[in-house]
Amino acid sequence: EAGVVQSPRYKIIEKKQPVAFWCNPISGHNTLYWYRQNLGQGPELLIRYENEEAVDDSQLPKDRFSAERLKGVDSTLKIQPAELGDSAVYLCASSQMTVPYEQYFGPGTRLTVT
Amino acid sequence: GEDVEQSLFLSVREGDSSVINCTYTDSSSTYLYWYKQEPGAGLQLLTYIFSNMDMKQDQRLTVLLNKKDKHLSLRIADTQTGDSAIYFCAESRGGYNKLIFGAGTRLAVHP
Repeated sequence: EAGVVQSPRYKIIEKKQPVAFWCNPISGHNTLYWYRQNLGQGPELLIRYENEEAVDDSQLPKDRFSAERLKGVDSTLKIQPAELGDSAVYLCASSQMTVPYEQYFGPGTRLTVT
Repeated sequence: GEDVEQSLFLSVREGDSSVINCTYTDSSSTYLYWYKQEPGAGLQLLTYIFSNMDMKQDQRLTVLLNKKDKHLSLRIADTQTGDSAIYFCAESRGGYNKLIFGAGTRLAVHP
C-alpha cells in the first residue's frame, strides 16, 4: 500500500514569494492533516480536514496561509507571501475516521525562505 | 510552547535497553502515541496505548502509562544502531485525533 505522498521534497524561495505544497493521502483515509515542524521541535497542527471540510484550522495563520481539499482526496497548502519565519518542514498526514486515529505521515517538504 | 515534555537526549550502548520518558498535561487524553523520526523522513507510528491500559508490549517495545502522574514511557529492548532516531510522544485531544507532540528525544546508540 502506498504511503502519504508529498511534493516537492525541498523548496527554496525568497521572502515575499508564494509557495505551494501538495499532499496525496493514503487511499481510504478520510482525514488529512497539515503540520509544521520547526527545527528541534515536534510537529504542530495547522489544519485538519474530514473529507472536504476543514474542521480545525485554528492554528492556521490565515493572513498568509490557505489550504484546500476540493475532492476530499489530495490537498494543497499555500503560503503567500512567505516570510523568513516560515522556514520549516511541512508535514502531511492522514488517518481513518475511526479510533485509534492512527496518523500516517508523509516525508515532508523542507521549506527554506531566504 | 509544548505541553508535552520529553528529555532531549539519550545515549545507550548497543544491546542495552533504552527508556524514553514523557509527561503530558491533558488527563482526558484518550490515546497516547509514540512516533519515530529518522533524518530527512516523516514520522513513523511505532505504537499507541489506550488510556485505560497500564502497559502495552509490542515485540521489543514496551509502553508504560501512569495516568495518575500523566507519565508515559517507551522501553526499547536490545537497542540496535537502527534505533537511532528522534522519538516523539503525543497526546490526543479534542475528539481524540488532535495530536499534541513533545519536542522529541534524540536516541543515540553506540557500540
